[in-house]
Amino acid sequence: NAGVMQNPRHLVRRRGQEARLRCSPMKGHSHVYWYRQLPEEGLKFMVYLQKENIIDESGMPKERFSAEFPKEGPSILRIQQVVRGDSAAYFCASSPRGGHAVTGELFFGEGSRLTVL
Amino acid sequence: TQLLEQSPQFLSIQEGENLTVYCNSSSVFSSLQWYRQEPGEGPVLLVTVVTGGEVKKLKRLTFQFGDARKDSSLHITAAQPGDTGLYLCGLTGGGNKLTFGTGTQLKVEL
Repeated sequence: NAGVMQNPRHLVRRRGQEARLRCSPMKGHSHVYWYRQLPEEGLKFMVYLQKENIIDESGMPKERFSAEFPKEGPSILRIQQVVRGDSAAYFCASSPRGGHAVTGELFFGEGSRLTVL
Repeated sequence: TQLLEQSPQFLSIQEGENLTVYCNSSSVFSSLQWYRQEPGEGPVLLVTVVTGGEVKKLKRLTFQFGDARKDSSLHITAAQPGDTGLYLCGLTGGGNKLTFGTGTQLKVEL
């Protein structure tokens, strides 16, 4: 009964390269959330997706960042032309119910740690 | 924008001590969750509180939801090194976002 799977766990990129982070939700979960965490800080919401739909992307930077959750396969968070400020841990969470239903628990993956040189 | 502030930001105590951490919101929220995050891991849900004045216990952890549903506290009795981690409160207000507080970094030393 696998939990939320994220890969890669660690990713190193040079400035200007692209970073792709993948997230497979728990079995039976169709709602995925991405969060970013800087060192010594809490988690900042980025985007909420259901299969093939972006529901809320209010936390996503307007440029260089995109996310998708296709009908088949994992959710992907894509960062183009990375800069040093993108260095952070990116966490994916899944839920069987959307919209953070009143008592809905989020199940988090172990995160992908991006380092931009 | 609903803001969640947690205090203290950092807390270092000895094994066996008691402690309380706080979570305060700028406005009323419908429910609140407490998560614990250990180094190198993702957050794990500890409890959800929904009703104003609600108190929930989880072994040595006691969670309280303020009557006005704008604040919450987490009390740990006889802290152990295994309690070390980042404690996050998160609220579900309007919209589709679970908003997290700034976190309390707890270190329990032998």
